[in-house]
Amino acid sequence: EPEVTQTPSHQVTQMGQEVILRCVPISNHLYFYWYRQILGQKVEFLVSFYNNEISEKSEIFDDQFSVERPDGSNFTLKIRSTKLEDSAMYFCASSEALDRRIGSNQPQHFGDGTRLSIL
Amino acid sequence: QQQVKQSPQSLIVQKGGISIINCAYENTAFDYFPWYQQFPGKGPALLIAIRPDVSEKKEGRFTISFNKSAKQFSLHIMDSQPGDSATYFCAAKRGYQKVTFGTGTKLQVIP
Repeated sequence: EPEVTQTPSHQVTQMGQEVILRCVPISNHLYFYWYRQILGQKVEFLVSFYNNEISEKSEIFDDQFSVERPDGSNFTLKIRSTKLEDSAMYFCASSEALDRRIGSNQPQHFGDGTRLSIL
Repeated sequence: QQQVKQSPQSLIVQKGGISIINCAYENTAFDYFPWYQQFPGKGPALLIAIRPDVSEKKEGRFTISFNKSAKQFSLHIMDSQPGDSATYFCAAKRGYQKVTFGTGTKLQVIP
């Protein structure tokens, strides 16, 4: 079964450094998402991406964050200057798109995440 | 209005018993209600999902009951097994928009 893959599985970075988290969504999916989960807490939405632009973003997704689809397969999340509170699991998700005019009940499929540890 | 409330926070069930997790939502624009299962160190995996025009959906040992008027839905795990021990998240979304997750229920099934 196709799956969302994320690399690296664990990233340790010094505070203030830039970090890039990488995701390969399922190949025929057109909607892409990033979420994060602080240890022991619920999964929180960061940003959604469709047709090479951000569709929606949360208040967590401030100017330090950016997303990009640099080629036909990868989807990246960049944090420019990491803070201690950015330490979390970051999950990428993707879903199919059917007809955007009427919405879609397609499920979002999640990767296994990148554990980001800021020192 | 975007919140999804989930209870209980943790649940211990004997092997063979029924596990029941309850959720409530406020936003009537939600049109898709998935349940995700998460094992330690893994991402949320879609378990079962329901649309609001259906009152019940069953897949194997897992059943979602949906009460649209009360804005509540629940997951029932029949014949619970130790391998079902995981964290379960109810969730809701509208169309292609973000998934709003509940706070999670840590289920432990004891032999």
